[in-house]
Amino acid sequence: AQSVTQLDSHVSVSEGTPVLLRCNYSSSYSPSLFWYVQHPNKGLQLLLKYTSAATLVKGINGFEAEFKKSETSFHLTKPSAHMSDAAEYFCVVSDPPGANNLFFGTGTRLTVIP
Amino acid sequence: NAGVTQTPKFRILKIGQSMTLQCTQDMNHNYMYWYRQDPGMGLKLIYYSVGAGITDKGEVPNGYNVSRSTTEDFPLRLELAAPSQTSVYFCASSYSTQQAHGYTFGSGTRLTVV
Repeated sequence: AQSVTQLDSHVSVSEGTPVLLRCNYSSSYSPSLFWYVQHPNKGLQLLLKYTSAATLVKGINGFEAEFKKSETSFHLTKPSAHMSDAAEYFCVVSDPPGANNLFFGTGTRLTVIP
Repeated sequence: NAGVTQTPKFRILKIGQSMTLQCTQDMNHNYMYWYRQDPGMGLKLIYYSVGAGITDKGEVPNGYNVSRSTTEDFPLRLELAAPSQTSVYFCASSYSTQQAHGYTFGSGTRLTVV
């Protein structure tokens, strides 16, 4: 069965320091994986996606994620946090790949301290 | 380019009332979806549609109905509102499968049933 676990419900970092948001998944297939960001009172926006090509995926706003099959992980990173990065982040799996359903993690709220 | 437009943004319903949440997209996307987001949770799929005239149940369809008479519109109907339907509702669309394209989300409808 497919599932997504976001290991931290809340992450707090200082502006200019690195960001790490952790995500583990379970899947019966080789999944497609995504990170979405949700700013307050807004819809979700796609940050990046992994679809069985390069394991290191670069997204918008300087974010990237690495697919590690041996660890069943897809952690999201950014070298230097900006105040505008404060938002809710969702790790999502599409299983089986190409399916019309997505399985969402419970989200990680990122706070950026000035 | 409006993307996915949802109306209303906020609504308070009394138990047993009915209402329709509207969703319109102007990107000529075949696939449309309705999700609900409960506090501290990821999104759950209510219904989806792969094209005009075709709809199917998602993970949590009970208490809801949908129709897809045109490519652009995908309204969600609540017939007898219950407190358990208090949630934020997101409509989304995509061109084809998730692998190739991310979903485009609307900004949400916050519904409270009292």
